[in-house]
Amino acid sequence: EDKVVQSPLSLVVHEGDTVTLNCSYEVTNFRSLLWYKQEKKAPTFLFMLTSSGIEKKSGRLSSILDKKELFSILNITATQTGDSAVYLCAGRAWNAGNMLTFGGGTRLMVKP
Amino acid sequence: AAGVIQSPRHLIKEKRETATLKCYPIPRHDTVYWYQQGPGQDPQFLISFYEKMQSDKGSIPDRFSAQQFSDYHSELNMSSLELGDSALYFCASSLERYTEAFFGQGTRLTVV
Repeated sequence: EDKVVQSPLSLVVHEGDTVTLNCSYEVTNFRSLLWYKQEKKAPTFLFMLTSSGIEKKSGRLSSILDKKELFSILNITATQTGDSAVYLCAGRAWNAGNMLTFGGGTRLMVKP
Repeated sequence: AAGVIQSPRHLIKEKRETATLKCYPIPRHDTVYWYQQGPGQDPQFLISFYEKMQSDKGSIPDRFSAQQFSDYHSELNMSSLELGDSALYFCASSLERYTEAFFGQGTRLTVV
């Protein structure tokens, strides 16, 4: 059974701090890993990673995948209170079409 | 830009009643999938459709059924509702099976 584990479960930082969120996965026939930010309702897409070692960047957020060690990290620099959310990572397999296996999420709280 | 539209946003039903949730994918997206997210839990995959055919099946109860119509919108039908069915139901869509998935705002179902 495919499994995705995120750590830490929760994190409290102050504005301006840099955070690193971890995601490890065990996905048979791994295809890609996706990161989402979930605030009050729907998960918002952040990144999709398919190749190892290639950093994806969007503003203060960046993410990278290590297919050898089976993990990904999401970095947020110069955090802001608006970054407070649950960050979900999800793995996808080649033979599973659109099914995403989600990790439990990391709840990030950024204090002023 | 158009997003995934779900209706209704909120729904209250009594035990043993039936509910129908609707999902309108992003225009040109041919793939729809449904997730159930219980309180404090990560989204659990229910079922997906690609080009109007069921493509993957997850932990969808037998009391639930879904389909994708010719205009690519999808409906999740839930019968004999139980208290444990109370959750956020998300629909997501993607263009083709392995591209990034975008989530709708969700339908909050409360079974009383």
